[in-house]
Amino acid sequence: GAVVSQHPSWVICKSGTSVKIECRSLDFQATTMFWYRQFPKQSLMLMATSNEGSKATYEQGVEKDKFLINHASLTLSTLTVTSAHPEDSSFYICSASTGLGVQPQHFGDGTRLSIL
Amino acid sequence: AQSVAQPEDQVNVAEGNPLTVKCTYSVSGNPYLFWYVQYPNRGLQFLLKYITGDNLVKGSYGFEAEFNKSQTSFHLKKPSALVSDSALYFCAVRDKGDSNYQLIWGAGTKLIIKP
Repeated sequence: GAVVSQHPSWVICKSGTSVKIECRSLDFQATTMFWYRQFPKQSLMLMATSNEGSKATYEQGVEKDKFLINHASLTLSTLTVTSAHPEDSSFYICSASTGLGVQPQHFGDGTRLSIL
Repeated sequence: AQSVAQPEDQVNVAEGNPLTVKCTYSVSGNPYLFWYVQYPNRGLQFLLKYITGDNLVKGSYGFEAEFNKSQTSFHLKKPSALVSDSALYFCAVRDKGDSNYQLIWGAGTKLIIKP
């Protein structure tokens, strides 16, 4: 149980392209989803927290117009990297939580984004 | 300020030997504590958590962790390491009073198990 599917797993695209990453909770309802960015050999950097049906809360220093997050349903959140540039190349990981009790966050397998 | 420290960037252990990956934390209130493992180019997998009660918590793949309130530590342990345990391990803490369920993450410890 508690499976999170993240798609695509790998994206290579040209500078200026917008890229959408999907995060789906397959067998549970995720009231809260998190988007992280991970640089090589580093820990997770929380980008934003999204609750179903409301606007995402972005961490300090994360451009909300650059990284558009939509959490339209209890099973789907999307991250769109708009007008991506090489410095946006990174490993992006989503996680989901039911928000019930002290359930752990359940993670997708991540998306490797490479901007040429 | 809330923080999690994993003092070792890398831990090397011979297969069959016991392993320990250290974690200490600092939160304003009472903590929920978590360990996750990450394999290359993958997301994180949940190993175990401490909420309350028994200080020794058992988790997946034979791992366990001991909560020590006086030392504010939550070290991850396994009695006999396997080569397949080689991965990146993250400790995380959540303040019980945090309604956003956000986790404060340690920097990660690379565990290398040598045959």
